[in-house]
Amino acid sequence: DIQMTQSPSSLSASIGDRVTMTCRASQIIDTYVNWYKQEPGKAPRLLIYGASRLQGGDPSRISGSGSGTDFTLTISTLQSEDFATYYCQQSYKTPYTFGQGTKLEIK
Amino acid sequence: QITLRESGPPLVKPTQTLTLTCTFSGFSLTTPGLAVGWIRQSPEKALDWLALIYWDDDKRYNPSLKSRLTITKDTSKNQVVLTMSNMDPLDSGTYYCARRAWAGLDTWYEPWGQGTLVTVAS
Repeated sequence: DIQMTQSPSSLSASIGDRVTMTCRASQIIDTYVNWYKQEPGKAPRLLIYGASRLQGGDPSRISGSGSGTDFTLTISTLQSEDFATYYCQQSYKTPYTFGQGTKLEIK
Repeated sequence: QITLRESGPPLVKPTQTLTLTCTFSGFSLTTPGLAVGWIRQSPEKALDWLALIYWDDDKRYNPSLKSRLTITKDTSKNQVVLTMSNMDPLDSGTYYCARRAWAGLDTWYEPWGQGTLVTVAS
């Protein structure tokens, strides 16, 4: 199985900050990475697919980048609704494994 | 509007078989390319991809659980059913179904159902 390792596991930031979180794959997966956001008590929701393609309806202050084994999710100008847990997932081959998540908390 | 909803027993005993049903609307699983998958989330919030069934009845399973999983579909009812045998307390968690979508070679899961919480205990 392809292992997806996210860092940091938790992150404290303030409204208006810019934050970056990373996801590393255990093998080359081109750009086959998705990012999901999960708010407490809710199901995950797709944010980005194909490493950098923003899901329709999400603000442009959210962006993804990377290819090969290293990927990043960046949120510029944090808003209150951004505080949640973020997961990466590889869609290169089954089983489509997830990272362990990065919890973004208010400082 | 695409929606999915999971249903099943909230409590199962160890060694029993769990049967979960995903009932969806807003799309048909006869449409080429579409698929529905199951993902579970442990109490510690880790996400595990479990299984996937395609419009043409092709199926994929997580190899670590393959011997215990069966996924089927009933297109007339817009349902996908997942069974997991020999349940263990470590299988406790929230089980989600989600529509697999794609564009080119990219695939992703969206939307997800609300999830159903399953506890395995005697």
